[in-house]
Amino acid sequence: AQTVTQSQPEMSVQEAETVTLSCTYDTSESDYYLFWYKQPPSRQMILVIRQEAYKQQNATENRFSVNFQKAAKSFSLKISDSQLGDAAMYFCAYGTGTASKLTFGTGTRLQVTL
Amino acid sequence: KAGVTQTPRYLIKTRGQQVTLSCSPISGHRSVSWYQQTPGQGLQFLFEYFSETQRNKGNFPGRFSGRQFSNSRSEMNVSTLELGDSALYLCASSLGLRTGGEETQYFGPGTRLLVL
Repeated sequence: AQTVTQSQPEMSVQEAETVTLSCTYDTSESDYYLFWYKQPPSRQMILVIRQEAYKQQNATENRFSVNFQKAAKSFSLKISDSQLGDAAMYFCAYGTGTASKLTFGTGTRLQVTL
Repeated sequence: KAGVTQTPRYLIKTRGQQVTLSCSPISGHRSVSWYQQTPGQGLQFLFEYFSETQRNKGNFPGRFSGRQFSNSRSEMNVSTLELGDSALYLCASSLGLRTGGEETQYFGPGTRLLVL
């Protein structure tokens, strides 16, 4: 069975600084998708970024970028120029096929301080 | 485009009752997946419906069931509620197809269920 591990229950970053959230996964598949979702206090899950395993280029979305290491089964999220609105729970997720069934990690709570 | 909507947003039930939750996907999306989120178990996949058929199923008891209508709206039903069913229930919609770039789920705001 696929598993997703987030080893950092909590992280803290100062406003305008950079922070990296870690995620590792275990799979025997070669074709899959990886996602980072953000869940603020409102509990709405918001897509931050996605990565297709067959693409070697790391995905980027404005201040958010990933470091995808397929051989190491690692998928970290880097948030640059952190803002107060980035404070939330961040979940790493894995999916295959149509990615309609996601396996989630346990989440990392990110605090952003002034 | 309007996002995924879920009704009701909050619900309080007592043990033994049953409950039905509703999810309306993004227009054009044919896949609806349901997840349960609890502090102890985290986010767990319940099931997925695509074109009115259950296509994937998680490891939940038969008390948890669902269905999908021809307009892709989906309902989830939990019968004989237990205290442990208290959770945030999230639904997510997607195209449900291998499109080479659109395999992404978008989540609704969730329904918070409290079982007393």
